[in-house]
Amino acid sequence: KAGVTQTPRYLIKTRGQQVTLSCSPISGHRSVSWYQQTPGQGLQFLFEYFSETQRNKGNFPGRFSGRQFSNSRSEMNVSTLELGDSALYLCASALGALNEQFFGPGTRLTVL
Amino acid sequence: AQSVTQLGSHVSVSEGALVLLRCNYSSSVPPYLFWYVQYPNQGLQLLLKYTTGATLVKGINGFEAEFKKSETSFHLTKPSAHMSDAAEYFCAVSEVSGNQFYFGTGTSLTVIP
Repeated sequence: KAGVTQTPRYLIKTRGQQVTLSCSPISGHRSVSWYQQTPGQGLQFLFEYFSETQRNKGNFPGRFSGRQFSNSRSEMNVSTLELGDSALYLCASALGALNEQFFGPGTRLTVL
Repeated sequence: AQSVTQLGSHVSVSEGALVLLRCNYSSSVPPYLFWYVQYPNQGLQLLLKYTTGATLVKGINGFEAEFKKSETSFHLTKPSAHMSDAAEYFCAVSEVSGNQFYFGTGTSLTVIP
């Protein structure tokens, strides 16, 4: 069974630009969560989608948004990038609530 | 909201020595508990989990953890450290009634030859 895939793996953007990251969950998994990982803050929860609906949202500004498609694939978008948005963005999928999350390798975003 | 505390952001042990990584959570209701490991430039991999039943949980790579409700703890141990255990370890909690995971800030384990 294929694992969680994230594209692209690496991304370099400049301040003010926007970016879209993609996540394909494990087949059959309907829950997709996104996290931001930085050396100083650890893993910060962004949001979680289940069957195309956002069920939970972390404490991030509105510049961070996401969506989930009918095939459970998910995208997250960050608009008006700031230097502080440089991070590893991790996607995790699960069968549903309470099940363990399976993580993708992440997308390393660098904002210059 | 839950909070997860991992004592010690950096832990160093000698090869062959006991590994002990600490995790405490805040919930008064026993949650589901997880330990994940992250190797450089990779995503997180599940080591072990506790949901219900036996409080001593065995995971992969020789790791185990014990759920202690009275101490609200879920410490991770391994009797003998191996060089390949050097990585970042994250404790996570999922509330039984919720859909969200809460992660600790991580503990970086260094194994000294």
